[in-house]
Amino acid sequence: SQTIHQWPATLVQPVGSPLSLECTVEGTSNPNLYWYRQAAGRGLQLLFYSVGIGQISSEVPQNLSASRPQDRQFILSSKKLLLSDSGFYLCAWSPGQATNEKLFFGSGTQLSVL
Amino acid sequence: SQQGEEDPQALSIQEGENATMNCSYKTSINNLQWYRQNSGRGLVHLILIRSNEREKHSGRLRVTLDTSKKSSSLLITASRAADTASYFCATDARGNNRLAFGKGNQVVVIP
Repeated sequence: SQTIHQWPATLVQPVGSPLSLECTVEGTSNPNLYWYRQAAGRGLQLLFYSVGIGQISSEVPQNLSASRPQDRQFILSSKKLLLSDSGFYLCAWSPGQATNEKLFFGSGTQLSVL
Repeated sequence: SQQGEEDPQALSIQEGENATMNCSYKTSINNLQWYRQNSGRGLVHLILIRSNEREKHSGRLRVTLDTSKKSSSLLITASRAADTASYFCATDARGNNRLAFGKGNQVVVIP
């Protein structure tokens, strides 16, 4: 069966520090991968998605970047965190060619930038 | 960008009662999905309804879709304390094919 791992669960970082969040998927190949951010009490905002290795699409201009160095690995990064980067970050995957089908989410990373 | 909007935002009910949530969207869609999120956790997919479907059931869940009104409803029957969570609708837009999520509906089921 397929599983998705996301870590760390909680992260407290100072403003200006770098960020690296990692997400891996097991039990499937060539998944579509996504990074969402959820502000407190709000819906999910799609940050990045990827349909293949090295293929990254950005949905909104921001201080973050994403990379997909391997088929089932998706990394969210920042060189210098801002206070506004605080939030709950969720990685997700979906099978197949379509990016509008059922999503499977990781357990999330609560990022606090102080 | 298209986004589902749930209504009402917060709902508190007694265990055993039914809970109904609504979602509206703005443009034509291929499908609409409902997800549940327990506090501090990732989202879990509940049900997907396609634009050519009007109603779908899964256990105690019933979803309806009215494409003429661009709205959907999620009904949870015989609610349980374990149903306490936030519920999100998500829609894709034809030609876009990426999901946009609403702000969520917080449901509290009182034992």
